[in-house]
Amino acid sequence: DIQMTQSPSSLSASVGDRVTITCRASQDVSNHLAWFQQRPGKAPKSLIYAASSLQSGVPSKFSGSGSGTDFTLTISSLQPEDFATYYCQQYNSYPHTFGQGTKLDIK
Amino acid sequence: QVQLQESGPGLVKPSQTLSLTCTVSGDFISIGTHYWSWIRQSAGKGLEWIGRIDARGGINYNPSLKSRVTISVDTSKNQFSLKLTSVTAADTAVFFCARGNYFRGYIDSWGQGTPVTVSS
Repeated sequence: DIQMTQSPSSLSASVGDRVTITCRASQDVSNHLAWFQQRPGKAPKSLIYAASSLQSGVPSKFSGSGSGTDFTLTISSLQPEDFATYYCQQYNSYPHTFGQGTKLDIK
Repeated sequence: QVQLQESGPGLVKPSQTLSLTCTVSGDFISIGTHYWSWIRQSAGKGLEWIGRIDARGGINYNPSLKSRVTISVDTSKNQFSLKLTSVTAADTAVFFCARGNYFRGYIDSWGQGTPVTVSS
């Protein structure tokens, strides 16, 4: 299985800040990398696919980059609704594995 | 706008079989442009991919669960299902169904999730 490692595991930031979350794959996954946002008690929401493409309806404050084994999710101008847990997932090979999550909370 | 809704018992006894169904609205499984997946999340933990199925008959399971998992589809009801046998307390989780793009591979929609507790 491909192991997905996110860093940091938790992150504190203030409203208006810009933050970056990193996801590293144990093997090359090309650009087959997705990012999801999960608010407490809710289902995950799809944000980004193909490493950098925004899902329909997702604001441009979210951006993704990377290919191969190293990827980043950047969120600009943080708003209260952005404080959540973020997961990456590779879908290059089965099983489609997730990172352990990065919890973003308000400083 | 596709909607996915999980349903099934919220409590299952140890050693028994967990059975869940995902009902799809706003899309048709039979069209074949998407695949249909199950994912679970244990309390306070991350997401675990269980498997996926598509209308062409393709099925893939997580090897860690493969001996106990069956995913099937009923296109006449526009539903797909999960069966997990010989459950233990370690299978207690919130189970999500999800839709993925068949050609590009990524998940684009999720159900709201249904909690399942394994306990006697």
